[in-house]
Amino acid sequence: DAGVIQSPRHEVTEMGQEVTLRCKPISGHDYLFWYRQTMMRGLELLIYFNNNVPIDDSGMPEDRFSAKMPNASFSTLKIQPSEPRDSAVYFCASSLGTGWDEQFFGPGTRLTVL
Amino acid sequence: AQSVTQLDSQVPVFEEAPVELRCNYSSSVSVYLFWYVQYPNQGLQLLLKYLSGSTLVKGINGFEAEFNKSQTSFHLRKPSVHISDTAEYFCAARSSGYALNFGKGTSLLVTP
Repeated sequence: DAGVIQSPRHEVTEMGQEVTLRCKPISGHDYLFWYRQTMMRGLELLIYFNNNVPIDDSGMPEDRFSAKMPNASFSTLKIQPSEPRDSAVYFCASSLGTGWDEQFFGPGTRLTVL
Repeated sequence: AQSVTQLDSQVPVFEEAPVELRCNYSSSVSVYLFWYVQYPNQGLQLLLKYLSGSTLVKGINGFEAEFNKSQTSFHLRKPSVHISDTAEYFCAARSSGYALNFGKGTSLLVTP
């Protein structure tokens, strides 16, 4: 398996623009997680899905952020409109459906909002 | 929710020296504990995990960690580090649900 795939790897955009980050989890994994990493706040969970259904979105910063998982092999995280404080590395991770299973992380998308 | 504290933001160490990266968690309820490593410009990779049983857990790359319930700690150790161990190390905990709470990370810098 190729592991968790994220695209794009780097994104530079201007304030106010819409940004869409994409993730393909490992085949067969039931859970998908979106994290954000910044120097100030470290690694934060934004939202996670189980069998394509959002379970906990309490980490989503505000209404400008939305996430979808239309099928088991694809998820998106959208920011509209983007702001400079959204600049961060966004990670997607997936795991099997048991509490002690390893979460496999993608390489991340480095987002810069100018 | 669990909170995780990594006591050192940076740990410089010489090659072949031993190292300990400290981690404390907040809750006394049953908890799963993890250590992840992040190499530059990469995602996180699992080093080891504690679920139950033996309090000494061995992981990849010669790392090990000891679970101490009375001190609510899960410190990571390696007896002899290599240059290639230079990376960011994250302690994480999960007590309910499937979400991980991560510490702020410890930057390990190994120099010759």
